[in-house]
Amino acid sequence: DIQMTQSPSSVSASVGDRLTLTCRASQNIAIYLAWYQQKPGKAPKVLIYAASSLERGVPSRFSGSGSGTDFTLIISSLQPEDFATYYCQQTNNFPFTFGGGTKVQIK
Amino acid sequence: QVQLVQSGAEVKKPGASVKVSCKASGYSFTSYALYWVRQAPGQRPEWMAWINAGNGDTKYSQNFQGRVTITRDTSASTAYMELSSLRSEDTAVYYCARASKYSMDVWGEGTTVTVSS
Repeated sequence: DIQMTQSPSSVSASVGDRLTLTCRASQNIAIYLAWYQQKPGKAPKVLIYAASSLERGVPSRFSGSGSGTDFTLIISSLQPEDFATYYCQQTNNFPFTFGGGTKVQIK
Repeated sequence: QVQLVQSGAEVKKPGASVKVSCKASGYSFTSYALYWVRQAPGQRPEWMAWINAGNGDTKYSQNFQGRVTITRDTSASTAYMELSSLRSEDTAVYYCARASKYSMDVWGEGTTVTVSS
C-alpha cells in the first residue's frame, strides 16, 4: 500500500495567516492526489483534485501544487470557516490511502 | 442537485453483520463508480471498496479480509455495503462517495455503526 504522510499534524494559526500544509507519498503517484477539508461531524469535502485543480465552488484562497511524491496545500489568507482538519488522499493505486491529517486550530 | 443519501445509524453485537445503503440522485447512477470509506473516532478515513455502478465490477481493500461485500441495484440507484463478523474495532462512521477521475467528489452524510455487546 502507498503510505501518505502529512505535516504538521496540527497547527495553530490566526485569521489572515498564510498556511502551507504538506503531504508526501511513499512512491510516485504522479498527480493523483486530492485534498479534503473535514469539519467535526461532517463528511470530508474535496478542495483540490489532480494535485492542483480547484474543485468548483471552492474559494480561490485554496491552492495545491506538486507531483510525484511531494505535494502542498496553501491557504493564502485563513478565514474563520477554514478551521478544520485537512486530509490528502492518493488515487493512483488501490487502496486509495489517506494521510493522517493536519488539524488547523485557532491561535 | 447531486446527492448521496445513506441509511440510518446501526447498533450491532460482535459477530453480526451490517448492511448500509447509499441512494444516489441528481445524476446518472450507472455513469459513475462509488467508493466506501470508513472513519473510526479520531482516525483518518480508510478506503474500503469500490464498485463500478454500471457493470458491477468491484475492488476491495485487503484490510477487510473478505468481510466486506459491495452490491448495487441500478433500478433503485442504490449501492450497498455489507460488513460481516463485526468486532468492536469496526465501530466507525461509514461513508459512500462518488468517484471522479482524481477524487471523491460527492459524499453521503455518513452512517454510524456501533458494535457493542
